Amino acid sequence: DAKTTQPNSMESNEEEPVHLPCNHSTISGTDYIHWYRQLPSQGPEYVIHGLTSNVNNRMASLAIAEDRKSSTLILHRATLRDAAVYYCILREELIYNQGGKLIFGQGTELSVKP
Amino acid sequence: DGGITQSPKYLFRKEGQNVTLSCEQNLNHDAMYWYRQDPGQGLRLIYYSQIVNDFQKGDIAEGYSVSREKKESFPLTVTSAQKNPTAFYLCASSITVGQTEAFFGQGTRLTVV
Repeated sequence: DAKTTQPNSMESNEEEPVHLPCNHSTISGTDYIHWYRQLPSQGPEYVIHGLTSNVNNRMASLAIAEDRKSSTLILHRATLRDAAVYYCILREELIYNQGGKLIFGQGTELSVKP
Repeated sequence: DGGITQSPKYLFRKEGQNVTLSCEQNLNHDAMYWYRQDPGQGLRLIYYSQIVNDFQKGDIAEGYSVSREKKESFPLTVTSAQKNPTAFYLCASSITVGQTEAFFGQGTRLTVV
């Protein structure tokens, strides 16, 4: 399984943009890049995913490097409710009912200061 | 409401006893997953199932067992062979066609004394 590397922790100020980096140098051509976040004592929550092109949704943006070996999750204006652990995950392609599993790394703990 | 439900939220068991954690989903998802999370750590995959009556081991399957007799249900049994069963257990589900998100339950915190 291809692995991801993220910083252990990051800090941000409220109302400012946050860029959360992720390295995945062993990504295969069919792996999708997924981001989830987890609040204490809760299950992870989906944030965004992409393959090659940059993606935007109501929660965040995902910028994917041209060689796909790294990506960045962008929160445009951090709020206190965005404080969580953010996981960057490579999801392998599903083939004949095999694969497709999500392998989590350690994640980045984001703290947001008022 | 559609969703994925884990029960109970907190579970206490004596050492040496088997215990079964429930996971039910009404999202019509084919794939279901079980993860274990220890304090300050990421999630580790225990078992997953892409279709009814079939499942595969994840990275830490030893001491655990699962069944997938119905599409909606994927119970996890923590057996007495699991040496450190105290942990936070998370269940997830997703569709298997295409690349979409997984939905997670709220977790079961198991404490073995």
